[in-house]
Order: sequence, then structure tokens, then C-alpha cells
Amino acid sequence: SQQGEEDPQALSIQEGENATMNCSYKTSINNLQWYRQNSGRGLVHLILIRSNEREKHSGRLRVTLDTSKKSSSLLITASRAADTASYFCATDYVKLTFGTGTRLTIIP
Amino acid sequence: DTAVSQTPKYLVTQMGNDKSIKCEQNLGHDTMYWYKQDSKKFLKIMFSYNNKELIINETVPNRFSPKSPDKAHLNLHINSLELGDSAVYFCASRPTGGEGETQYFGPGTRLLVL
Repeated sequence: SQQGEEDPQALSIQEGENATMNCSYKTSINNLQWYRQNSGRGLVHLILIRSNEREKHSGRLRVTLDTSKKSSSLLITASRAADTASYFCATDYVKLTFGTGTRLTIIP
Repeated sequence: DTAVSQTPKYLVTQMGNDKSIKCEQNLGHDTMYWYKQDSKKFLKIMFSYNNKELIINETVPNRFSPKSPDKAHLNLHINSLELGDSAVYFCASRPTGGEGETQYFGPGTRLLVL
């Protein structure tokens, strides 16, 4: 299976702390994307990083990509209760292949 | 003015029945997808259509038949439903080319086969 692995599977932190999620994958990629899924809802695109980029920022989000290690990380700074959700990485090469997801819980 | 919409939102049916799920996008996108998310939250692509033509067909049982009457619609028909078909089915769309790699997902259809 090409499915990526995300680490940790679940993460609980206090509001205001930073949350870091990691994603490892196996195949070549054109880009890597992160999506958020709130409970019972569809996925929402957060950020895209291309294979020739190493770091990207969007608001409180910071994504890194290391193609030599086939890994990416998503950092959410100054977390809020509304950030509670599942976060998925997805590698894009012909099609999107999703990771296993990290369930993030922000404790108020 | 929902971008990607799916109907129904919930579907409970008996094993052996035939059912359809509908998807519509008003974003003007060329490409549409069906994904299946199982109880462990694994999300896997099933089909992809570009301008009404099938371009990706993962190893999905032929009981599943997608139909795209036009590029704004991609429906999923499932014959002879089985217990293992219980899952959440997501439709998604994206434009073709350029910066258009982002996919836009519908709210999902929760299918429960009894």
C-alpha cells in the first residue's frame, strides 16, 4: 500500500501550546498536502507544499518537507480549541494518497 | 451556495439492496472523485472522472458504478450492497492544471448496511 503513516495517531495538548504532527510516505510526489477533518464533516484543505519546497507558512501553520527522508511535518502554533480535529497528510502523484491521520485534541 | 454537495447525507439500507449517492459541484471544476473512508478513518480513492471520462478506477468491486452525466455531477451507484460497504463516502473535485491541485470535499454520505 502507498498509504502514508502519520505520527502520532493521537495528540492532546493544552490550548495555547504548539502541536506537531509528522507524516512519512513511500512514493515519489509532485506535492504534499495537509487536510483537516472535523468530526462528522468533510475534509478541508489547509496547505500544499511542492516537492521542490522545504518549508511553507500559512497563518499559524508551518509545513516542512524533506524529500530525501520522505517525510513532512505540520506545526500548528498557539493552538485553539477550534483546532480540535483529525489532520491528514496526502501525497499527490497522479492521485491523492492519504495518510492514516492524527487525531488532535486541544484542551481548553 | 455549497461548493460540493452530496445527497443523501445518511443512508441506512438492507444488505442486497441497490442504492445511489449523488454529488454535484458548482465550482466549475473538471475533475471529480469518489473516496471511501472506513471506520478506522482510512481514506482511499475509488474513482476519478475528468470531463465526464473515467481516468482512475482503483480496485473497486464492479458492484460500484460511477456515472458522470456532465462535468458538474458524479454519481455513485452501488448494487447488491454488502455489510463491508458500510463507510463514509466522500465526493471531491478539483480544477485541472496550474495551481489547481487542491481538492474540495463534500460533506460525506454515511452509508450503513444492515
